[in-house]
Amino acid sequence: GENVEQHPSTLSVQEGDSAVIKCTYSDSASNYFPWYKQELGKGPQLIIDIRSNVGEKKDQRIAVTLNKTAKHFSLHITETQPEDSAVYFCAPRGGKLIFGQGTELSVKP
Amino acid sequence: GAVVSQHPSRVICKSGTSVKIECRSLDFQATTMFWYRQFPKKSLMLMATSNEGSKATYEQGVEKDKFLINHASLTLSTLTVTSAHPEDSSFYICSASRPQGASYEQYFGPGTRLTVT
Repeated sequence: GENVEQHPSTLSVQEGDSAVIKCTYSDSASNYFPWYKQELGKGPQLIIDIRSNVGEKKDQRIAVTLNKTAKHFSLHITETQPEDSAVYFCAPRGGKLIFGQGTELSVKP
Repeated sequence: GAVVSQHPSRVICKSGTSVKIECRSLDFQATTMFWYRQFPKKSLMLMATSNEGSKATYEQGVEKDKFLINHASLTLSTLTVTSAHPEDSSFYICSASRPQGASYEQYFGPGTRLTVT
């Protein structure tokens, strides 16, 4: 079946620094690549997504880059703020979303 | 983004009883709804996929007689945990899929915390 790996599992940065989380997938049929943010006790929130015909997408401080040849995509957060602290999941989709293991991001003020 | 609600947000029930969780898409018609289960500090595990008006498709290892899913309309899906046991205690999250061109964006509800005593 589909294999999704997310790295790192935990990430601690100082406020203002950048954070990068990488997601590697195995299903070459995957054509939709979202990132979700989940705060404690809440459901995942879609923060950015990219489709297979695009290499990069940016929305203010958040960007996603996709390398379909290498089968990985990454979440980039610049100028991190304490409110960015949460668990982030990648969930590439071929037939259905397959969630990575999650990355716990901690932004220290 | 689209809004998906869940009710209740928290529920405590006794062993052997059944509990129903509702999932609603508030501002769009969801062709497909999904039910996930999440254990503490773990990822989301897909339980089943349901399309309006048809039987749900369950993932391997998920008991369809224990986790009853009904998708009666394009805005409502329900998950009923039957004869609940303490090991069914978990965070249950639904999501709804909205067609967006060639792809389908998926929006998640806020989750329901089930505790079985």
